[in-house]
Amino acid sequence: SQQGEEDPQALSIQEGENATMNCSYKTSINNLQWYRQNSGRGLVHLILIRSNEREKHSGRLRVTLDTSKKSSSLLITASRAADTASYFCATMNSGYSTLTFGKGTMLLVSP
Amino acid sequence: DAGVIQSPRHEVTEMGQEVTLRCKPISGHDYLFWYRQTMMRGLELLIYFNNNVPIDDSGMPEDRFSAKMPNASFSTLKIQPSEPRDSAVYFCASSLYMGESPLHFGNGTRLTVT
Repeated sequence: SQQGEEDPQALSIQEGENATMNCSYKTSINNLQWYRQNSGRGLVHLILIRSNEREKHSGRLRVTLDTSKKSSSLLITASRAADTASYFCATMNSGYSTLTFGKGTMLLVSP
Repeated sequence: DAGVIQSPRHEVTEMGQEVTLRCKPISGHDYLFWYRQTMMRGLELLIYFNNNVPIDDSGMPEDRFSAKMPNASFSTLKIQPSEPRDSAVYFCASSLYMGESPLHFGNGTRLTVT
């Protein structure tokens, strides 16, 4: 069963704009991770945020986590055409036994 | 390291045939995962291994699916007999440990069963 659910399902923006994707989940987690998938390729890990953290940055990526609302957001600033991909959130349960992926947000960045 | 290596990249087979997918994890990674990706169901965990031992196979759809890890550098996922509804992209991933170690994915095997 899916734990994380991303929103929106698809997002289309122009280069230079910011892209925000959201993830909601249902049960207690230990950490939440974001992955990127380019067409025809495997997923690539972007960033991990622990349940006791509220915000994390990595380059042009900013991730927030609100455990009271069971939600996370991924912000990509100053987007580039190369950011075009699907983005997935994945939640690690409290028992460290499973990493469950959402269905992803498809991001299209037009030049 | 070359990363996680999967073969073949594409497999087209007829219903009823046996299919074997292969995976070589990153050296030194203790965990190996098999996932299946479809448009309808997204990315589903099928099974994962720790130090070559299957830990959780609750995601394996039915007895037609089996997975083995005979050593630390090789794993197979077998479907016998295959059915059209098995058509999907199958990913293998590995990680150093469970918890905060990121998963490293291979580029997948696209399986089409006609």
